Amino acid sequence: DAGVIQSPRHEVTEMGQEVTLRCKPISGHNSLFWYRQTMMRGLELLIYFNNNVPIDDSGMPEDRFSAKMPNASFSTLKIQPSEPRDSAVYFCASSHLANYGYTFGSGTRLTVV
Amino acid sequence: QKEVEQDPGPLSVPEGAIVSLNCTYSNSAFQYFMWYRQYSRKGPELLMYTYSSGNKEDGRFTAQVDKSSKYISLFIRDSQPSDSATYLCAMIADPNTGNQFYFGTGTSLTVIP
Repeated sequence: DAGVIQSPRHEVTEMGQEVTLRCKPISGHNSLFWYRQTMMRGLELLIYFNNNVPIDDSGMPEDRFSAKMPNASFSTLKIQPSEPRDSAVYFCASSHLANYGYTFGSGTRLTVV
Repeated sequence: QKEVEQDPGPLSVPEGAIVSLNCTYSNSAFQYFMWYRQYSRKGPELLMYTYSSGNKEDGRFTAQVDKSSKYISLFIRDSQPSDSATYLCAMIADPNTGNQFYFGTGTSLTVIP
């Protein structure tokens, strides 16, 4: 089992550019979560999906953020346009409803300059 | 008031010391409690989970839940330099509903050789 796979590991982009973060959850897991982590605010839930359907996107900061899960094995988080305050580590996590706890990916470190 | 409160530290202890990490919470519906360990530049990994009140031991680690006080603890005995990481608590009312876990902001621990 390769675990939750995120790409890219690092992203440096200029303000105003579009950024797309990618996630492949663990096969068989039917819940997927996108988190953002900063020193000041810790882990913040942005959005989560159950069976590919978005359940709660109340954590998405604003309309510049969007997330999709077109199938059970892939999800994207897009920021357009990006701003310096979006700089953070973005984690994807997946879980199975019947199990306890999440499995996190290694994260994408985003820097917007 | 945040759902989960956790002292960010940092906490620095000598090797071999007993470490106590704590979280408090406000939602009495929480029944499942977890501790994650996050090494620098890595994603959080599940360390222990407990259900309802009581203690659970796993090697050098003991998780303790006091629902009457809305207080959970993680004890690390004979702490090792390899325990140096950030520890996050997380909790949920019922993981089988697919709802989100609520995370603390994490406590940074350094074990000095």
